[in-house]
Amino acid sequence: QKEVEQNSGPLSVPEGAIASLNCTYSDRVSQSFFWYRQYSGKSPELIMSIYSNGDKEDGRFTAQLNKASQYVSLLIRDSQPSDSATYLCAVNPGGYNKLIFGAGTRLAVHP
Amino acid sequence: NAGVTQTPKFRILKIGQSMTLQCTQDMNHNYMYWYRQDPGMGLKLIYYSVGAGITDKGEVPNGYNVSRSTTEDFPLRLELAAPSQTSVYFCASGLVGTGELFFGEGSRLTVL
Repeated sequence: QKEVEQNSGPLSVPEGAIASLNCTYSDRVSQSFFWYRQYSGKSPELIMSIYSNGDKEDGRFTAQLNKASQYVSLLIRDSQPSDSATYLCAVNPGGYNKLIFGAGTRLAVHP
Repeated sequence: NAGVTQTPKFRILKIGQSMTLQCTQDMNHNYMYWYRQDPGMGLKLIYYSVGAGITDKGEVPNGYNVSRSTTEDFPLRLELAAPSQTSVYFCASGLVGTGELFFGEGSRLTVL
């Protein structure tokens, strides 16, 4: 059974702080990794994708991938109340984009 | 640009009834998917399609059926509804070679 594990949270951070979200996956052959954001009652939307080991930065977001440790993380700098949402880690084990999603980490940014 | 459109947004079914969730995308994506999301759980893949006329089972296909007669449409059929099918259902589409999925707004189904 291929699995993606996330801490369910809630992760509570003050406004302006760095939020760190973590994810581990079980399938070593996975090649591509994604972070989706889901506001309460809404559908998921892609915020970051990463395909190779190391860091990838996009604005206030940085995704980090370590394939040897089967570990993906998402850093959100200068967190804003509008970042309060559930963040879903997703892994593509290969073929047809059949993403496997983690249960998500709920982030709460308080003023 | 509508993206992925799902109907209905809400539905209450009685045990044993059947219904179809409709999904249409206007982005000319080859890949389409149906996921379900239970409270506190991740998205689970029900069925997917890589093109018109081609469908395959995902992780949790029991109790559901799909068809893909056109690139745009990917309806999900629930036969003999059961309380275990109470969930939020998301249709999504995506391009070949990327992992970016575009989701519809979701359909909240309650089976009583």
